[in-house]
Amino acid sequence: AQKITQTQPGMFVQEKEAVTLDCTYDTSDPSYGLFWYKQPSSGEMIFLIYQGSYDQQNATEGRYSLNFQKARKSANLVISASQLGDSAMYFCAMREGGALMDSSYKLIFGSGTRLLVRP
Amino acid sequence: NAGVTQTPKFQVLKTGQSMTLQCAQDMNHNSMYWYRQDPGMGLRLIYYSASEGTTDKGEVPNGYNVSRLNKREFSLRLESAAPSQTSVYFCASSVLWGALANYGYTFGSGTRLTVV
Repeated sequence: AQKITQTQPGMFVQEKEAVTLDCTYDTSDPSYGLFWYKQPSSGEMIFLIYQGSYDQQNATEGRYSLNFQKARKSANLVISASQLGDSAMYFCAMREGGALMDSSYKLIFGSGTRLLVRP
Repeated sequence: NAGVTQTPKFQVLKTGQSMTLQCAQDMNHNSMYWYRQDPGMGLRLIYYSASEGTTDKGEVPNGYNVSRLNKREFSLRLESAAPSQTSVYFCASSVLWGALANYGYTFGSGTRLTVV
């Protein structure tokens, strides 16, 4: 069975510094994808970044980058130049299914990491 | 605004009462999902509907039923609420996997349910 593990329940980072949030996964499927979502205190789920298992380069979206180490089965989120607004819960998720185009899929989520940015 | 609409946003139930959580999306997505979020456990899949006319159990389906009423609407029913069902419930929708699916789900704003 596929599994996502986030081992850091909570983290602190100083404003303007970079922070890495850890995510490891377990799957036997050769085709998979990894997502990161942000959940601020208001509760909504915000998509941040996506990495496909066959992507050759690490994904980047503005201040967010995904450090994808396939052999280690890790997909860590790196936030550069942290801002106070980055304080939130962060979830790593893995796609299960969807190996073929136009097929259905579902996401399996980790337990999350709560990040607090200090001024 | 286009997206996923969940109702109600908050609900308090007494043990044994029933209720239905409503979810509707206007993005013409094929697939819809219901998750529950509990502290320290992330989001766990209750039921999902890959396409109109189909529903399947997820990780934690016990105590719940679902109905995919049409392509837009996917409801979650608690027949006899229990305190263990106190949680935040999220509905989500997505296209089938393909070129537009790299953004994953579109989530509703959540329903905070308390069962006393």
